[in-house]
Amino acid sequence: DVKVTQSSRYLVKRTGEKVFLECVQDMDHENMFWYRQDPGLGLRLIYFSYDVKMKEKGDIPEGYSVSREKKERFSLILESASTNQTSMYLCASSLPGTLLYGYTFGSGTRLTVV
Amino acid sequence: QKEVEQNSGPLSVPEGAIASLNCTYSDRGSQSFFWYRQYSGKSPELIMFIYSNGDKEDGRFTAQLNKASQYVSLLIRDSQPSDSATYLCAVPSSGNTPLVFGKGTRLSVIA
Repeated sequence: DVKVTQSSRYLVKRTGEKVFLECVQDMDHENMFWYRQDPGLGLRLIYFSYDVKMKEKGDIPEGYSVSREKKERFSLILESASTNQTSMYLCASSLPGTLLYGYTFGSGTRLTVV
Repeated sequence: QKEVEQNSGPLSVPEGAIASLNCTYSDRGSQSFFWYRQYSGKSPELIMFIYSNGDKEDGRFTAQLNKASQYVSLLIRDSQPSDSATYLCAVPSSGNTPLVFGKGTRLSVIA
């Protein structure tokens, strides 16, 4: 069965910490995405990648960076965590051509920054 | 920037009724449309995909697409309490670009 695994289900971090959110997929998908989801704001795209070592900014990249050293792994980095980054973070992957395939989501990481 | 609009709800329907969820989109060039279901505290899961004008049926779910009017609907027949969730509509900008999601409609099926 297709699987996208996010390393942590819940995380609590302190303001100013560097935070790593890991996402691994076992489907040999080229495309990987990071979204955050907040009540009333829906899903907002942070970064995405169509290939190893390739990254593109989404709608809200400020305060975040990403790394994709291997095809199956896409990491989201919060350089210096702030309380306004408290959110549900969702990783997704897809085959090339989201026109036809859509996404498979990971189970999400609920991050709280205190 | 494409826009995808959904009524936030909540939409309440009695068990056994038909639930009708609607989504409008701004880009007339949009070609495919996805419906995701998201239970509280869980991640979205894909339930329907529609590419052509008209209806597409999968079990109790029917997606309806009207490109001329720029809306896509999801009908859930014989609604069950287990269908209570938030339903997200999503549209890709083009062939291999990220999906743009609506904010979702919360459905509550009352037993």
